[in-house]
Amino acid sequence: LAKTTQPISMDSYEGQEVNITCSHNNIATNDYITWYQQFPSQGPRFIIQGYKTKVTNEVASLFIPADRKSSTLSLPRVSLSDTAVYYCLVGVEYGGSQGNLIFGKGTKLSVKP
Amino acid sequence: DTEVTQTPKHLVMGMTNKKSLKCEQHMGHRAMYWYKQKAKKPPELMFVYSYEKLSINESVPSRFSPECPNSSLLNLHLHALQPEDSALYLCASSQERGAYNEQFFGPGTRLTVL
Repeated sequence: LAKTTQPISMDSYEGQEVNITCSHNNIATNDYITWYQQFPSQGPRFIIQGYKTKVTNEVASLFIPADRKSSTLSLPRVSLSDTAVYYCLVGVEYGGSQGNLIFGKGTKLSVKP
Repeated sequence: DTEVTQTPKHLVMGMTNKKSLKCEQHMGHRAMYWYKQKAKKPPELMFVYSYEKLSINESVPSRFSPECPNSSLLNLHLHALQPEDSALYLCASSQERGAYNEQFFGPGTRLTVL
């Protein structure tokens, strides 16, 4: 299973765009890249998932370069409520093999007023 | 209904007690998961059920015993736990087993073992 590396923490201010990069050098051909958000004492919440190029939804964008060895989660105009831990996960399920979600250490984002 | 519910929210138990954690979802999901999360650490996968059958046990001690009575319910039976088992226990479900399926998490049960 591909191992991910993210910055342990990041600081930002309200209204700024935040980009969190995740490295996954050993990503496999069938692996998807998924990001989850977790607030203290709550379960993680799915944010976005992609395979290649760019994916955008109502809360975030995910940029994946051609070699897929890294990915960047982009949060536009963050607010105080975006303060949370963000996890990058890589994994796939196919043909009965394991490929489960394995959470890395995550990035603790702190948004200041 | 896109909610996963867990009961109880908090549980305090002694090392000789037997207790159970419960998880329920009504989204028609066929995969359900138990995770353990220690403070300031990421969630760790414990068990995966797919179509009500135990699919994956990530080498969890036998003092944790999962049960899936039906497609909507997931239990975690606890017996003879140790203080180091104190943690937040999270339940999740997804349409199917697999990393490309969005997992919906419950709020967790905060377990304290005395």
